Amino acid sequence: NAGVTQTPKFRILKIGQSMTLQCTQDMNHNYMYWYRQDPGMGLKLIYYSVGAGITDKGEVPNGYNVSRSTTEDFPLRLELAAPSQTSVYFCASSWDRGRSGYTFGSGTRLTVV
Amino acid sequence: AQSVTQLDSQVPVFEEAPVELRCNYSSSVSVYLFWYVQYPNQGLQLLLKYLSGSTLVESINGFEAEFNKSQTSFHLRKPSVHISDTAEYFCAVSDMNRDDKIIFGKGTRLHILP
Repeated sequence: NAGVTQTPKFRILKIGQSMTLQCTQDMNHNYMYWYRQDPGMGLKLIYYSVGAGITDKGEVPNGYNVSRSTTEDFPLRLELAAPSQTSVYFCASSWDRGRSGYTFGSGTRLTVV
Repeated sequence: AQSVTQLDSQVPVFEEAPVELRCNYSSSVSVYLFWYVQYPNQGLQLLLKYLSGSTLVESINGFEAEFNKSQTSFHLRKPSVHISDTAEYFCAVSDMNRDDKIIFGKGTRLHILP
């Protein structure tokens, strides 16, 4: 009954470093999403996937990469971290894209210094 | 493209008073509508949703929202708030015909005053 699990919960990166935010779901959902949340700005879609092996860009993809080798996992890669990537990152999954709503993970708070 | 407007970034309200959080979406095409709640330091949780049928939908903790197609609105209401309702609330919309990604509003922070 884990739902969507994100790791780590917190991370501090130095400018130029790289890291991978992990996201795993155990609900056999085909659709998975990565959002970033900044104060007063709501949620911005970074990347999404409609199934294993298929990914697509969202609203703010620059500076990020994703892969989807299995149904369960949807990692988000940050290359050459910048202060503008300081944010809270949420992974979500859904059964049928839009209709049933999303299940969210608890988030990763990332600070780039 | 769809967009969602939440007219108030913050709403202060006294405990046990009624509250309305406003939400308007951009298009009159057929849509699915959602309200999500985010408690401090947590992820978003689905509060309620409108897919079809009755325009009034309810959550298990006393919130309700009414779909108004002519005004393209989906306002969230609760007749009597509790301190535990302190959270940020997000309205969201999805295009029914495209069954597409959910678009989120910027959120409304609900402050419950003692």
